[in-house]
Amino acid sequence: GQQLNQSPQSMFIQEGEDVSMNCTSSSIFNTWLWYKQDPGEGPVLLIALYKAGELTSNGRLTAQFGITRKDSFLNISASIPSDVGIYFCAGPIRGGGATNKLIFGTGTLLAVQP
Amino acid sequence: DTEVTQTPKHLVMGMTNKKSLKCEQHMGHRAMYWYKQKAKKPPELMFVYSYEKLSINESVPSRFSPECPNSSLLNLHLHALQPEDSALYLCASSQARGVDGYTFGSGTRLTVV
Repeated sequence: GQQLNQSPQSMFIQEGEDVSMNCTSSSIFNTWLWYKQDPGEGPVLLIALYKAGELTSNGRLTAQFGITRKDSFLNISASIPSDVGIYFCAGPIRGGGATNKLIFGTGTLLAVQP
Repeated sequence: DTEVTQTPKHLVMGMTNKKSLKCEQHMGHRAMYWYKQKAKKPPELMFVYSYEKLSINESVPSRFSPECPNSSLLNLHLHALQPEDSALYLCASSQARGVDGYTFGSGTRLTVV
């Protein structure tokens, strides 16, 4: 089946540092989504991307839809302790009929030391 | 209301028990989903309901039985579970085509003993 591979698998950084992570697929996606999940909670949507080459920001977060449509990137600037969590990329694929289903990447665990 | 509410938050059940997980949303979303998530792994899709009809079953064992009584509610009935079914069960909802991102609940942490 289709897989979304994220790298790095984990990151341990100091507060104030910038963070970059990416997500790659062997298949083309028409939408890329970035979620953050805190421990014991459900994923929360951070940024949605709909067009190849698109660059979208949400506060200190910036995400890009890769030109090949097979990858996406997420950057976090000036990290703070509350950025700790697991970051997932996700994309919808056709699940049968007119129904789409969302598949998730392998995740990047971010730890921020104050 | 922009939330998906799941109850209970925690559940411990024996392998012979029958229990149900509940999910509710009032955003007018016409697609609802159940995901299963093991520790440090991504969520894995179990079921998709579209307009209150089951449209996707990802080959989930029959000991998990979903139900969508109306457009706002989604249940997951559990019976004769195994310890390996212990996980975080997430409910989500979206607009019907599901390309704009899903809204997730906080999940039910299930432990099977």
